[in-house]
Amino acid sequence: DQQVKQNSPSLSVQEGRISILNCDYTNSMFDYFLWYKKYPAEGPTFLISISSIKDKNEDGRFTVFLNKSAKHLSLHIVPSQPGDSAVYFCAAWDSGTYKYIFGTGTRLKVLA
Amino acid sequence: GAVVSQHPSWVICKSGTSVKIECRSLDFQATTMFWYRQFPKQSLMLMATSNEGSKATYEQGVEKDKFLINHASLTLSTLTVTSAHPEDSSFYICSARLLSSYNSPLHFGNGTRLTVT
Repeated sequence: DQQVKQNSPSLSVQEGRISILNCDYTNSMFDYFLWYKKYPAEGPTFLISISSIKDKNEDGRFTVFLNKSAKHLSLHIVPSQPGDSAVYFCAAWDSGTYKYIFGTGTRLKVLA
Repeated sequence: GAVVSQHPSWVICKSGTSVKIECRSLDFQATTMFWYRQFPKQSLMLMATSNEGSKATYEQGVEKDKFLINHASLTLSTLTVTSAHPEDSSFYICSARLLSSYNSPLHFGNGTRLTVT
């Protein structure tokens, strides 16, 4: 039972364009959401987060949008750079079980 | 930012031996650390929550006698894979939160690639 879903396993974007990564969740007890970037053979690196009381959070080229009614969040990267090529995981904090739940990841490839 | 150090980064061991993986929070104290496991092309699966000074909380399906977790200090948690078998080969990653509050992100170590021959 996957409570955090990233339905696109991969995404290719041209350098300079916008990358949009999507994530859906099913549990209304989730109240804090995060995005991580992961290179092969390395641990995930924290990118940006958003609390459920907000609908948008921006940090440089990264913006996270949260639509609580749709139980959907997205990560926008603009402009995309080749160094952004990695696997991106969304995660949610389950305030019912005190655990972070991770999605299955989306592999982003930014083409030069 | 918060730094979590994990050692070793990779290890190869023979079937039946035990392997210890260390996870340290370098510039902060972590009362709770989380151990994850990642299979190829899959998500991060939580194995257990390590609590300083008390027993770890294991997720369903994770054998506590096989994956021994010790959190003896506020900056160190260890995972020991006992009597390792080839099916234990995986990528193990530890993590910790800078703050104990819920809206604090997890910071991850660089992971340990375990290969059991």
